Amino acid sequence: NAGVTQTPKFRVLKTGQSMTLLCAQDMNHEYMYWYRQDPGMGLRLIHYSVGEGTTAKGEVPDGYNVSRLKKQNFLLGLESAAPSQTSVYFCASGRGSDLRDTQYFGPGTRLTVL
Amino acid sequence: DAKTTQPNSMESNEEEPVHLPCNHSTISGTDYIHWYRQLPSQGPEYVIHGLTSNVNNRMASLAIAEDRKSSTLILHRATLRDAAVYYCILRRGVNYGGSQGNLIFGKGTKLSVKP
Repeated sequence: NAGVTQTPKFRVLKTGQSMTLLCAQDMNHEYMYWYRQDPGMGLRLIHYSVGEGTTAKGEVPDGYNVSRLKKQNFLLGLESAAPSQTSVYFCASGRGSDLRDTQYFGPGTRLTVL
Repeated sequence: DAKTTQPNSMESNEEEPVHLPCNHSTISGTDYIHWYRQLPSQGPEYVIHGLTSNVNNRMASLAIAEDRKSSTLILHRATLRDAAVYYCILRRGVNYGGSQGNLIFGKGTKLSVKP
């Protein structure tokens, strides 16, 4: 049981390049999330999904797109990377929106945009 | 979203108890109090949650004030591995202005543990 995994762990991009971050979970969770964390800050929600084939915007969605074609995977795309997107990206999954439910986080992807 | 207030940092000695405070004066009757922690260079991990009564689990205890306007996360014997940022988060239902299941993170409390 791997929990939540993220690929890649590190990446360096040049401004304007594109890339996709992959998140996978093996807990059969309905909900999945993408957060970003900037230095000295808490996590901020980018996009989330409440089930296969659904996506929704979070607090800071601009410059990102997401897809949830399979229940176990949630992809985060950067179409044209900017230095402001330099951050650590965390994926999480959870059973649902019950206020008692917990979220399980991946190890993070450290992205640098030059 | 319901806000919480935590000290920026705290220090503790190894093998001593640690009390991490959190103020949430705008809490509503149905808000759950959750605690997560983030070890260095890792993703956050769940610690404990509660509604009204005090809660215990293998990681920690959660003491909730009678008026629910504050809570305290208690680590009974701090170890070096407990050095992390601890986040106190209120989860509010969508019908009461909360978010669709996602967590709202503040800056948390950075706990340092001295050997």
